[in-house]
Amino acid sequence: QVQLKETGPGLVQPTQTLSITCTVSGFSLTSYYMQWVRQTPGKGLEWMGFIRSGGSTEYNSEFKSRLSISRDTSKNQVFLKMNSLKTEDTGVYYCARGTTLFDYWGQGVMVTVSS
Amino acid sequence: DIVMTQGALPNPVPSGESASITCQSSKSLLHSNGKTYLNWYLQRPGQSPQLLIYWMSTRASGVSDRFSGSGSGTDFTLKISSVEAEDVGVYYCQQFLEYPLTFGSGTKLEIK
Repeated sequence: QVQLKETGPGLVQPTQTLSITCTVSGFSLTSYYMQWVRQTPGKGLEWMGFIRSGGSTEYNSEFKSRLSISRDTSKNQVFLKMNSLKTEDTGVYYCARGTTLFDYWGQGVMVTVSS
Repeated sequence: DIVMTQGALPNPVPSGESASITCQSSKSLLHSNGKTYLNWYLQRPGQSPQLLIYWMSTRASGVSDRFSGSGSGTDFTLKISSVEAEDVGVYYCQQFLEYPLTFGSGTKLEIK
């Protein structure tokens, strides 16, 4: 069955870089877009960006200058990297499958930005 | 960016009663292909969001027929015909007409 699971650091210091891995099973990354969505106390659900089935990416301009999404299809993994973290980046980060509708979501990983 | 504005519910809603959740977009979500680019999700307490409705009115696989979506280009309604305990959570609308994809701020449903 389809499964997605995010893993990440939990706590990150301000100005540092966040790295999260989404490991998927039950489908191929070359057949689906993979999205990143976060949920913060300040802004609720925010779409961050995606990587297409072909490997190209699209980012929300809100994050464009500091966000990078990539993947390793051989490991069924998608990666999110975001630099210059601020306290307001604290929240839950989700990966989700889909182009325009997100039919499967990971459980999310809680990230706290604090010194 | 397209702004999605959601209304509140008169919580708590008695079990078995119907509930209607509203969502308004700052731009028409009706595409030239005739489809309306609006999804609905439910986030139960402690869980990830789950897809309920897509293309404004199509139920996702496994979703109860108690849920129905309707609307026009800018005004949308998610109706739950007979609320049950398992319907508790926060409901979100989301537009996918344009990037950035945007979500509403959520509507909380509590059951009495």
